[in-house]
Amino acid sequence: DAKTTQPPSMDCAEGRAANLPCNHSTISGNEYVYWYRQIHSQGPQYIIHGLKNNETNEMASLIITEDRKSSTLILPHATLRDTAVYYCIVRASFTQGGSEKLVFGKGTKLTVNP
Amino acid sequence: EAQVTQNPRYLITVTGKKLTVTCSQNMNHEYMSWYRQDPGLGLRQIYYSMNVEVTDKGDVPEGYKVSRKEKRNFPLILESPSPNQTSLYFCASGGGYSYEQYFGPGTRLTVT
Repeated sequence: DAKTTQPPSMDCAEGRAANLPCNHSTISGNEYVYWYRQIHSQGPQYIIHGLKNNETNEMASLIITEDRKSSTLILPHATLRDTAVYYCIVRASFTQGGSEKLVFGKGTKLTVNP
Repeated sequence: EAQVTQNPRYLITVTGKKLTVTCSQNMNHEYMSWYRQDPGLGLRQIYYSMNVEVTDKGDVPEGYKVSRKEKRNFPLILESPSPNQTSLYFCASGGGYSYEQYFGPGTRLTVT
């Protein structure tokens, strides 16, 4: 699985958009970009995933660059409850021979300030 | 409600006393796995199971056993716990044709 690089920490004001970047320059064609978050020692929580198109769900939006070498997770209106460590993970899907294992890096510690 | 449950949530034990941490999921997932999380080392996979009676080692399997006799349960067994197994443990399920994996709430284990 391709490696990812994320900034160790970011701050965001409550109510503003939080934009979390991820670099995955060695991503291969069949690998998806996944985002999970972990709120203070709770179990990691799935947020969103994408292959090459931008994706949006009720939690966040995922913007993937055209060359797929980087992506940005956007929390449109961050709240205090969004304070967490956010992990960007790249892996191939199970149906394309990928491992089910999620390889968690150090992630980005996002702090949402009042 | 779709969920992964773990028991116990907190456990303090002594070196060498066998223990089992249970994990159960209600989503009919074939894939289940165990991770441990340690400061500075992040989340590391211990064991995983692709289906009933099929288990395999992850990155840090030493000192652990698992079994998968039923689809919904995947217990983690520490036959002779040692202090270096003091950690936060997470069970997860999902995968396959479901892209999302669900994690349990965690079990904080202290071995003295």
